[in-house]
Amino acid sequence: EAEVAQSPRYKITEKSQAVAFWCDPISGHATLYWYRQILGQGPELLVQFQDESVVDDSQLPKDRFSAERLKGVDSTLKIQPAELGDSAMYLCASSLGVDREQYFGPGTRLTVT
Amino acid sequence: RKEVEQDPGPFNVPEGATVAFNCTYSNSASQSFFWYRQDCRKEPKLLMSVYSSGNEDGRFTAQLNRASQYISLLIRDSKLSDSATYLCAVNMRTGGFKTIFGAGTRLFVKA
Repeated sequence: EAEVAQSPRYKITEKSQAVAFWCDPISGHATLYWYRQILGQGPELLVQFQDESVVDDSQLPKDRFSAERLKGVDSTLKIQPAELGDSAMYLCASSLGVDREQYFGPGTRLTVT
Repeated sequence: RKEVEQDPGPFNVPEGATVAFNCTYSNSASQSFFWYRQDCRKEPKLLMSVYSSGNEDGRFTAQLNRASQYISLLIRDSKLSDSATYLCAVNMRTGGFKTIFGAGTRLFVKA
């Protein structure tokens, strides 16, 4: 069964440092999502790609977060500089289309100290 | 008011019980609906899509009520392994499509 891959699984970083997460969606999935999930809450969309284009980044803190999907396949989410409040689970998901079911990767658990 | 709301629970039920969760949404232009299951410190996993006519998968039944703007999930004959958080997801047409997740309903099934 095809899966969404993410790395790293865990990341501990000091505040003000840069951190990057990588995601490889299920092959053929044109839509890719990055979510942030805080314990006890549902996933919150940070950015959504359709192929290589950003279609929604309204909730992305653009002063410190950036995301790219240069060839329309894998994607990178970067935080620079990291802040204590960025500690959370960062989830990547992919789907065949914008209104279709989404499949999640295992996530990256970020701890900022 | 949140765009997608769920009762956080927890729901504590004995094995074999039937339990139901609701999820309300505020945007009448919502197009597609899903239930996900999330185990502690794991990623959400798709449980089932919710169709207008309702759908069933084994012990799980999902229904959509567009008039009252909610979806439901019914679990029959609960198993210990059903203990998890159940998230609803709603795709809304807001220019493009946007997915909003509820905060989840926590279920504990006890022996």
